[in-house]
Amino acid sequence: SQQGEEDPQALSIQEGENATMNCSYKTSINNLQWYRQNSGRGLVHLILIRSNEREKHSGRLRVTLDTSKKSSSLLITASRAADTASYFCATGLIQGAQKLVFGQGTRLTINP
Amino acid sequence: GAGVSQSPSNKVTEKGKDVELRCDPISGHTALYWYRQSLGQGLEFLIYFQGNSAPDKSGLPSDRFSAERTGGSVSTLTIQRTQQEDSAVYLCASSITRQGIEAFFGQGTRLTVV
Repeated sequence: SQQGEEDPQALSIQEGENATMNCSYKTSINNLQWYRQNSGRGLVHLILIRSNEREKHSGRLRVTLDTSKKSSSLLITASRAADTASYFCATGLIQGAQKLVFGQGTRLTINP
Repeated sequence: GAGVSQSPSNKVTEKGKDVELRCDPISGHTALYWYRQSLGQGLEFLIYFQGNSAPDKSGLPSDRFSAERTGGSVSTLTIQRTQQEDSAVYLCASSITRQGIEAFFGQGTRLTVV
């Protein structure tokens, strides 16, 4: 079964607005990562947050992690048309630590 | 190499034939993963290698699927007697063997079984 589940499945906003995507997971993790996928091919790593961290920033990206609720959120500020892509969270499990388990993804569309 | 390389990029095969998909990880990366992604869906974990050994094969969907890795580098995913439901993009990723390190993905192999 999938470890991570993203919410919403699809999100459509206007350019310039902020986009927030959420991820929930089931078991204890070592870290949580967010990836981006364009055109259904290779994924690109965006940001990693460790289980002892609560918030992390990278450019226009802000990630939060709440281990008590087993959830994370990815915020993209001042969205651009080029941000249109699918976004996936992946959890690095404590057991089988190198195994990355992905959710179903959020399809983000930025309208110009 | 500069990145994770997968071949072929696209493969069309007839139902019942065997196929081999190849993954060249980034040099020095000891962890290697195979995932499968059906159209519009998430990534389904197939198998994970640490060096040449596969501590987790739990995701292989049936005994028609197998994978090996030789020399701690190149990996081959083999699908025997392909079925139409095997049609998907097969993605390979590698990472340095240390917890919390990002995975680098190849561009995938799009497999179509007709």
